[in-house]
Amino acid sequence: KQEVTQIPAALSVPEGENLVLNCSFTDSAIYNLQWFRQDPGKGLTSLLLIQSSQREQTSGRLNASLDKSSGRSTLYIAASQPGDSATYLCALLNSGYSTLTFGKGTMLLVSP
Amino acid sequence: EPEVTQTPSHQVTQMGQEVILRCVPISNHLYFYWYRQILGQKVEFLVSFYNNEISEKSEIFDDQFSVERPDGSNFTLKIRSTKLEDSAMYFCATQTPYRNNEQFFGPGTRLTVL
Repeated sequence: KQEVTQIPAALSVPEGENLVLNCSFTDSAIYNLQWFRQDPGKGLTSLLLIQSSQREQTSGRLNASLDKSSGRSTLYIAASQPGDSATYLCALLNSGYSTLTFGKGTMLLVSP
Repeated sequence: EPEVTQTPSHQVTQMGQEVILRCVPISNHLYFYWYRQILGQKVEFLVSFYNNEISEKSEIFDDQFSVERPDGSNFTLKIRSTKLEDSAMYFCATQTPYRNNEQFFGPGTRLTVL
């Protein structure tokens, strides 16, 4: 059974810092990995999707990497802004299945 | 960009009552899902639906739950007799194989069972 862990659980940084959020998983037989953003009491916004054959994906100030062999993904946020404050969730789609397995998320607070 | 929509945004009900949560998937998406998130916990898979039938379901999705696509556009989740522990945020998601199986989530329905 796939287990997804996100570290740290919470992170507080001053505006302008570059930061890295970590996601680890136990079963490397994945089809893809998605990073989501969740604002308090709101839905999930897909930020980036990495196919299992890819090593990284970039969108604006966000860069996500994937290392299947070690069971790790990172989300790099450059030049953080207060508007980046949210919970970031990592979710995996296992090969042969159609359902996402989620981590518990990292709650990010970027202070002005 | 097309979005998944859900109604209502918030539903308050008494224990034992039936509730129906509604979702309008993105047009042309073929796979539909319900997930839930109990406050402070992980997002959990409930059920997936393809070609007008359930394709997968979790152990959470017991006989109290049902899904259907009544009119070719809406996708509904029914809870027959709600329990206090059903209080959660319920998310509908849709997926197309043409976008690398990326799943797109709706804004959620917050269900509160009193």
